[in-house]
Formats: sequence, structure tokens, C-alpha cells
Amino acid sequence: ETVLTQSPGTLSLSPGERATLSCRASQSVRSNYLAWYQHKPGQTPRVLIHAASSRAPGIPDKFSGSVSGTDFTLTVSRLEPEDFAVYYCQQYGNSPWTFGQGTKVEVK
Amino acid sequence: EVQLVESGGGLVQPGGSLRLSCVASGFDFSSYYMTWVRLAPGKGLDWVAYINQGGSAKFYVDSVKGRFTISRDDATNSLHLQMNSLRGDDTAVYFCARWNFALDYWGQGTLVAVSS
Repeated sequence: ETVLTQSPGTLSLSPGERATLSCRASQSVRSNYLAWYQHKPGQTPRVLIHAASSRAPGIPDKFSGSVSGTDFTLTVSRLEPEDFAVYYCQQYGNSPWTFGQGTKVEVK
Repeated sequence: EVQLVESGGGLVQPGGSLRLSCVASGFDFSSYYMTWVRLAPGKGLDWVAYINQGGSAKFYVDSVKGRFTISRDDATNSLHLQMNSLRGDDTAVYFCARWNFALDYWGQGTLVAVSS
């Protein structure tokens, strides 16, 4: 099973700052098939990125994804109030599909 | 408009059973993988099960293998999750979600609480 380790567990930032979230895979992810989701309390999760760096329809370009080897990164260029949430990575290149444990982005 | 509406959750005693359902609309249900994902209190998102188009391939997370069964009825655009031998650590909100190179549409979720 491909274990995804997200860091940090919690990221405390102010609006306007840049958020950099990490997701490290325990092994190579086939075709870099990794997605990022945003989840706010009381709402359904929303897909932001798929295939490591492709934005999902309707997602603003302040969200970007990148990959280097087995290290995946989600960057939010300038945090707005609605961006404070929990973010999950999820790989679908290897069977079984797996989620990371999540990174909470909170207001500092 | 794509919609996924879950039902069937509730309070059940340990060892009991529940059957969750998810009715889909607004897209060609038969053409998509469908999944169940859960969010336990204080925990992160986790796979429960997923099923391919036609239902010939199914995946279960290890913790539910032998206890849960995922199925689909393309005639009624429905996804089901039969949950038997429920345990306290199955307590969670269960989401039905469509797979389209990511989980692109989610239902609102249905709460399953396992407690005596």
C-alpha cells in the first residue's frame, strides 16, 4: 500500500500569506496520479488538483500543484479567508488508492 | 446538475447492520466508477469501497473486508453499501462520491453511529 504522509499537520498563517503543503508518498506513484482536496466543516470536500498539477474545473489559479519524485506539493499563493480548511492528498496511481491524513490550514 | 443523495444512516448497536444508498442524477451513472468515503470523528478522509462501471471490480479497505459489500444498480442510478457486523470504529459520516480522475462530485453524507 502507498502511504501518503502530509506535513505539516497544522499550518498557521495569516490572510495574504502563501501556503505550502507537502504530501510525500512511500513509493513512486504511477503517472503522478495524485489529487488534492479542500474540506471545510459542514461542507463536502472539493477537488482542487488532479494528476499532481492539473487544476480541476472552476478552481482559481491561486491553487497550484507540483511534484518532484515522490514529493507532491500544493501551493496556495495568497490565502483568503475562505481558504482556511483541511487539505488532503490522495493517490490513484497505485492500488489500493490511499489518502493522506490531512493538513489543517488555520488562521494565525 | 450532478446530484448525489445518500440515505440509510442512523444509530445502530455493535454487531448490527445498515444499508446505505446513494441515488445519482444529472449524469450517465453507468459510465463512472463510484465510491464510498468516510470521515470519522477527529480523523481524516478514508476510503471504504469503490466499484467500477458495470460492477465487475470492487475494492474494499482492509478494515471492512468481509463485512461491507458495495453494489450498484445502473437501472435505478443507485449505489449501495451493505454494512454488517458494525463496530464502534465504523462510526463516521459516509459520503458517496463519483470518480472522474478524482472525486469530483460528493453527496452531503449520511451519519452512521455505532454505539450501545
